[in-house]
Amino acid sequence: GAVVSQHPSRVICKSGTSVKIECRSLDFQATTMFWYRQFPKQSLMLMATSNEGSKATYEQGVEKDKFLINHASLTLSTLTVTSAHPEDSSFYICSARMGGGTDTQYFGPGTRLTVL
Amino acid sequence: GENVEQHPSTLSVQEGDSAVIKCTYSDSASNYFPWYKQELGKRPQLIIDIRSNVGEKKDQRIAVTLNKTAKHFSLHITETQPEDSAVYSCAASINQGGKLIFGQGTELSVKP
Repeated sequence: GAVVSQHPSRVICKSGTSVKIECRSLDFQATTMFWYRQFPKQSLMLMATSNEGSKATYEQGVEKDKFLINHASLTLSTLTVTSAHPEDSSFYICSARMGGGTDTQYFGPGTRLTVL
Repeated sequence: GENVEQHPSTLSVQEGDSAVIKCTYSDSASNYFPWYKQELGKRPQLIIDIRSNVGEKKDQRIAVTLNKTAKHFSLHITETQPEDSAVYSCAASINQGGKLIFGQGTELSVKP
């Protein structure tokens, strides 16, 4: 149980285009989802917290107009990287947490974004 | 906001030796401290966690200790094996179910 999927697993795009990444909780309802960015051999950097039915809360230094987050249902959150540039190339990982105030986060497999 | 510092950034040990990774946190209100193991290109896996009402927790070869006064917690891996090689990350959160703030990660290499 508690499986989280991400799609796509890998994407290559041209500079200036937008890319959408999906995060789904497959067997549970996730009231909260989180989006992280990760550089090689480093840990996760929290970008934003996504609550179902409300606006995402972004961490300091993360541009909300560049990284659009939508949490339209209890099983789906999307991250759209708008007008992507080479410096946006990174590994993006989502996590999902069940409701009820539980601590455990279940992570997706990640999406490798390469912007040419 | 919360800030988590993790050391060392890289750690190399011989198979069978112990490995210790340390983290400090800034916000005394933090009360949940998980540790994750992440292999290259894969998702983080929770390996052990501890809450602020406990000083130590052990699960086979893995243990975590917490010093609330000093605001630091440590991961201990005994009898290391090559398959323990990965990036290990600590995290802290305030309030049950709150967001996790991660440390910078430690790349552990266990040499056979």
